Parts: sequence; structure tokens; C-alpha cells
Amino acid sequence: DQQVKQNSPSLSVQEGRISILNCDYTNSMFDYFLWYKKYPAEGPTFLISISSIKDKNEDGRFTVFLNKSAKHLSLHIVPSQPGDSAVYFCAATARGYALNFGKGTSLLVTP
Amino acid sequence: GAVVSQHPSRVICKSGTSVKIECRSLDFQATTMFWYRQFPKQSLMLMATSNEGSKATYEQGVEKDKFLINHASLTLSTLTVTSAHPEDSSFYICSALPGRGSNQPQHFGDGTRLSIL
Repeated sequence: DQQVKQNSPSLSVQEGRISILNCDYTNSMFDYFLWYKKYPAEGPTFLISISSIKDKNEDGRFTVFLNKSAKHLSLHIVPSQPGDSAVYFCAATARGYALNFGKGTSLLVTP
Repeated sequence: GAVVSQHPSRVICKSGTSVKIECRSLDFQATTMFWYRQFPKQSLMLMATSNEGSKATYEQGVEKDKFLINHASLTLSTLTVTSAHPEDSSFYICSALPGRGSNQPQHFGDGTRLSIL
């Protein structure tokens, strides 16, 4: 039973524009949400997170938005750069332990 | 900071062999480490939670006698795939959780590609 869903397997964006990656979850007990970036043959790299008590967290070009009523979060990357091309995983946890991952969205940023 | 080293990165071995994978937190202590498995085009699936000094907690459907986990120190957890068979071929990734508090990101190793012939 997939509790974290990323319904877009891939996304293509032009360099300089905004990339928006979406994630939905079903478990209302989740209280901490994370985005990881992953290159082939490497482990996921932590990107940004948000606690359920917030609705927005920003770190440089990356902003995560959380809509608890809709059980939806999104990652905005602006401006997008070719080096951002990777697979992005959304993850969620309840009480800070085991992560539940989505299936990932492959982002391609074209020059 | 928060570097996790996983070794080996790739293993190819014959069916029936046991394979040990190490996961080390290099610059922090990790009371809790996790082992995940990823199938092609799928998400990372949690296999077990490894707590230093105690027995691992396995997820439903994961055979604890097949996947032996040892977390002997605050910086090292090992996963041993015993008597591996071709269906065990997969990408195994560990992660480590710094400290004891909640709402902290897990930090991942680079994974181990296991191929059983």
C-alpha cells in the first residue's frame, strides 16, 4: 500500500524556468516530509524538508510547500539548472523514523 | 558533514553465497540505521530498522533469517544476505539517523548493487 505517491514519473523543464514536483500522501500521521535527489548508482541525497507545523520551507533555489488539508506537498526549483537533472523522491515519516518513499519523479532540465 | 559510507558498491556472486554489506556513519554517531531495497523503477522499500545494541526490527515480509542485521556500534551496521539466490538480486541502500530526536533527515549511503548468478 503506497502511502506516498508521486504521480508524475517524469518532468522536462527548460533551464531558467521553474520546476514543480508534486507529491501526495494518505497517512494523516505523517509529521515530517523530505525531498531527496538521486543520481543513478548513488544513494539519495537529502535536499530539503518540512515539518507538519509549517506550510513552507525555503533553501536557496528550493522551496517546499505543504498543504495538510489536501495531503499534498510540492517542491519548487527556481531557476532550474541542468545540474538539477536527477530523480527526486518525496518521503514522509511519522514521529521521525522510518521513511515512506514515493516512486520518484525523473526531472530533466534542458539547456 | 553527515556522510554515510556503504561498502561494497557492487557484488556479483554465485547462488548460495552469503554476502555482507557494511554501512558506516563517518562523521556522526547513529543510534538508528535503516536498510532499504530498491527494485527497478520502484521506490525504496524499508526492510528493517537497526538499533545499536539491540535486535533489528524487520518489516512484514522480510525474512530475518535471510537478512541478518548487526548494529554493533554507533557508527556501523551490517546486512548479511545469507545463502543468496537470484531473486535476492537488487539495490540495497542503508541510511543513518543522527542523534535521537525526531524530525531529522536520514542520510544515505551510495548503495550496493547485488547480482546473484
